[in-house]
Amino acid sequence: RKEVEQDPGPFNVPEGATVAFNCTYSNSASQSFFWYRQDCRKEPKLLMSVYSSGNEDGRFTAQLNRASQYISLLIRDSKLSDSATYLCVVRGTDKLIFGTGTRLQVFP
Amino acid sequence: GAVVSQHPSRVICKSGTSVKIECRSLDFQATTMFWYRQFPKQSLMLMATSNEGSKATYEQGVEKDKFLINHASLTLSTLTVTSAHPEDSSFYICSARGGEGNTIYFGEGSWLTVV
Repeated sequence: RKEVEQDPGPFNVPEGATVAFNCTYSNSASQSFFWYRQDCRKEPKLLMSVYSSGNEDGRFTAQLNRASQYISLLIRDSKLSDSATYLCVVRGTDKLIFGTGTRLQVFP
Repeated sequence: GAVVSQHPSRVICKSGTSVKIECRSLDFQATTMFWYRQFPKQSLMLMATSNEGSKATYEQGVEKDKFLINHASLTLSTLTVTSAHPEDSSFYICSARGGEGNTIYFGEGSWLTVV
């Protein structure tokens, strides 16, 4: 079983749509959780950290369920510029473990 | 602007030759640097973790004699792909941990093509 699992997509949604990505992780000792965004042929960039209480940053909302080892990302009012691959990332004691990513394509 | 610089961004080399990729932290001291590899449509896979002044710790399945990592200073780590083969063609990304909050920053990545 992979340490971090995501639905690879692609998710094709119209502008303005709400889209949700899910992620599960296998190591219950994982300490920190993140969502990264990766554009084609570029390095990943931190989108937001994920906290147990849930957190929101503009149109983006992240949730963490430690009991279920489940992380989610909700994007509201999708923009064309949101088209990218979204990587679920889990941090253990020292290193980051990346999921395979979920590809999002927003169309006009 | 970038706080971690990787160079070169793209490199083409002949099969059997070696190629070096540099990763520099620009305005902070990086106690730990990480090297990842990403094949097309796949996730970033951690290759090794390097701490300044000590030997790198390689992940299972990564050949340490093929992928030489040197972390000689607090601002520079290098990855040398020795005797490169076409299957080594990939996107190599470094990240560095340091600065305020011990944040992890990524380099811009290096595209390696072995012909």
